[in-house]
Amino acid sequence: AQSVTQLDSQVPVFEEAPVELRCNYSSSVSVYLFWYVQYPNQGLQLLLKYLSGSTLVKGINGFEAEFNKSQTSFHLRKPSVHISDTAEYFCAVGSNDYKLSFGAGTTVTVRA
Amino acid sequence: DTGVSQNPRHKITKRGQNVTFRCDPISEHNRLYWYRQTLGQGPEFLTYFQNEAQLEKSRLLSDRFSAERPKGSFSTLEIQRTEQGDSAMYLCASSGPGQGSTGELFFGEGSRLTVL
Repeated sequence: AQSVTQLDSQVPVFEEAPVELRCNYSSSVSVYLFWYVQYPNQGLQLLLKYLSGSTLVKGINGFEAEFNKSQTSFHLRKPSVHISDTAEYFCAVGSNDYKLSFGAGTTVTVRA
Repeated sequence: DTGVSQNPRHKITKRGQNVTFRCDPISEHNRLYWYRQTLGQGPEFLTYFQNEAQLEKSRLLSDRFSAERPKGSFSTLEIQRTEQGDSAMYLCASSGPGQGSTGELFFGEGSRLTVL
């Protein structure tokens, strides 16, 4: 069984400040890890993914995440946020099947 | 637009009525998924099709729920005798060969159901 815990439900941040969204997972098998973003009134979009290889993965819009197997974490970071980054962010874990298990989400609100 | 299309986008119904949602996946994608998202929660897996075959149903999918994917193209999700607890966003996603096994899904904008 797989599960995801997103440690922060809401993250307020000022424009141009850095942001980190924390995600921990549990799984008994090898995993694939994802961050999806959901902008207001839009569908989920893939932000970035870790399948194998380098533990630091870069995604769209300047986001990056680091896979840490020993800490079972996959935290998402951006060094400088914009107002347009206001959205809900979901961490998800998959394995060698077809299902994703999502965390409860982190709402990021960027203020000027 | 060649993304995943869902309709209706919003549905308000009275308790006890039946509702049906439709999902049109990306045309070359052979896998189609239904998820449900309630307020303050992440999406939860409901069911999955590979081509026209329904390969798994979550225990969240009670016998009032039925999903079909005739001819392996679009899919429908029907809820019979709706209850207030069915109020949620119903998300459809699709994936192509090689993507689904790693969880790279393409989501539609969802169909929001409100049961009064």
